[in-house]
Amino acid sequence: GENVEQHPSTLSVQEGDSAVIKCTYSDSASNYFPWYKQELGKRPQLIIDIRSNVGEKKDQRIAVTLNKTAKHFSLHITETQPEDSAVYFCAALLSGTYKYIFGTGTRLKVLA
Amino acid sequence: NAGVTQTPKFQVLKTGQSMTLQCAQDMNHEYMSWYRQDPGMGLRLIHYSVGAGITDQGEVPNGYNVSRSTTEDFPLRLLSAAPSQTSVYFCASSSRDSETQYFGPGTRLLVL
Repeated sequence: GENVEQHPSTLSVQEGDSAVIKCTYSDSASNYFPWYKQELGKRPQLIIDIRSNVGEKKDQRIAVTLNKTAKHFSLHITETQPEDSAVYFCAALLSGTYKYIFGTGTRLKVLA
Repeated sequence: NAGVTQTPKFQVLKTGQSMTLQCAQDMNHEYMSWYRQDPGMGLRLIHYSVGAGITDQGEVPNGYNVSRSTTEDFPLRLLSAAPSQTSVYFCASSSRDSETQYFGPGTRLLVL
């Protein structure tokens, strides 16, 4: 079946450093790739997304890049802050459906 | 707008009992989904609906039923609860015009 692989499963960075989380998807026709942040005990919240006709998107300290050929997309967080500590999930929308496949999550810890 | 709401917040069941998890949205969204979240597994799609009267299976539909009689409501029924269904359940919705999913606050279910 279709799947999304996400790495690493845990990531610790010093405050102010950058963090990168990577995902690879299997459905080459997937066309929408959101990233969610989930704090402990809370619901997932969309932080940034990218569509297949765009290679990169930025929103302040957060950016997402997409390589369609490699079926690979990444989340980049610069100048990390303690409040960035959370679990981050990538997802891919299967083409022609309303089915989202999620990665298994990355627990990011920003050390003060 | 209340957004996506879920009840109950927490439930304990005995093996074999049945129950319904409620989900409602007031954003007039066409699409609604149910996910379960288990440690290290990310979010897995159980069932989804693209409109009133239309439902379909996701990745892990066994043991669950859904119906969509109105645009607003999308209940998830556990027919005969099993310990393997212990999880956190999230409902999500989005509109036909945008892929952005909005999640409910979740229901934590414990099956003994």
